[in-house]
Amino acid sequence: AQSVTQPDIHITVSEGASLELRCNYSYGATPYLFWYVQSPGQGLQLLLKYFSGDTLVQGIKGFEAEFKRSQSSFNLRKPSVHWSDAAEYFCAVGVNDYKLSFGAGTTVTVRA
Amino acid sequence: GAVVSQHPSWVICKSGTSVKIECRSLDFQATTMFWYRQFPKQSLMLMATSNEGSKATYEQGVEKDKFLINHASLTLSTLTVTSAHPEDSSFYICSASETSGGVQETQYFGPGTRLLVL
Repeated sequence: AQSVTQPDIHITVSEGASLELRCNYSYGATPYLFWYVQSPGQGLQLLLKYFSGDTLVQGIKGFEAEFKRSQSSFNLRKPSVHWSDAAEYFCAVGVNDYKLSFGAGTTVTVRA
Repeated sequence: GAVVSQHPSWVICKSGTSVKIECRSLDFQATTMFWYRQFPKQSLMLMATSNEGSKATYEQGVEKDKFLINHASLTLSTLTVTSAHPEDSSFYICSASETSGGVQETQYFGPGTRLLVL
C-alpha cells in the first residue's frame, strides 16, 4: 500500500532564511505527488503537484518541489521564508483513482 | 480559485445525539466530494468518497451506518455523525473536485469542522 512519510514534525526557521520540507513516499508505480498548506482555521490549499515531465515543479507563493525517483522523495523548498509561511504542510500521494494519502504533516514556525 | 465552505465550523454535542455537517462548493459544481477525518497532530484520513446522486464509497474500517453521507446536489454534500460518542470527536474536512477524472484533478478543501462530543 502507498504511504507518505514526513520525517520532520516541526521546523523553526528565521524569516528570510531558506526552508526545505522532506517527503518520502512508498508506492509501486509513478505516483501523483502533491504539497498542501493548511493555515489555522482554513482549508488545505494546493501549493503544487507533480504528475510527469520536469521533475522540478514550481508552485504558488514561491514554493518549488523536486521529484527524485531514486530517493522516492518529493521535497518542498522555498528560498526565502516570510512570516506568513508559518503553517502546517502536508505531502500527499495519489493513486490510480481519486484517493489521496497524506503524510502526518510538518509544522513550520517562522521567527522574526 | 474554487471555494469550498463547511458549516458549522465547530460543534459541541452530547453523547448519543446526531450531528450534521454541510460541505458546499460555492463557485463550481462538485462532481465528487470527499470526507476526511483529522486527529490532532496526525494526517488526514479519507473516510469516504461520494458522487452526486449515488451512494458514497466508504474506506475500510469506516462505519457507513454511523457516518451517513448524502451528496444530493452538485454543490452540497452532508456528513451526519449518528449517535455520536466521545471517540467521534475530531476535525472533519471535506473536499470537492469538479470532475470525476481521477486523482490528477485538483481537490479543493473546506476549512473543516471541529466536533466535540461530551
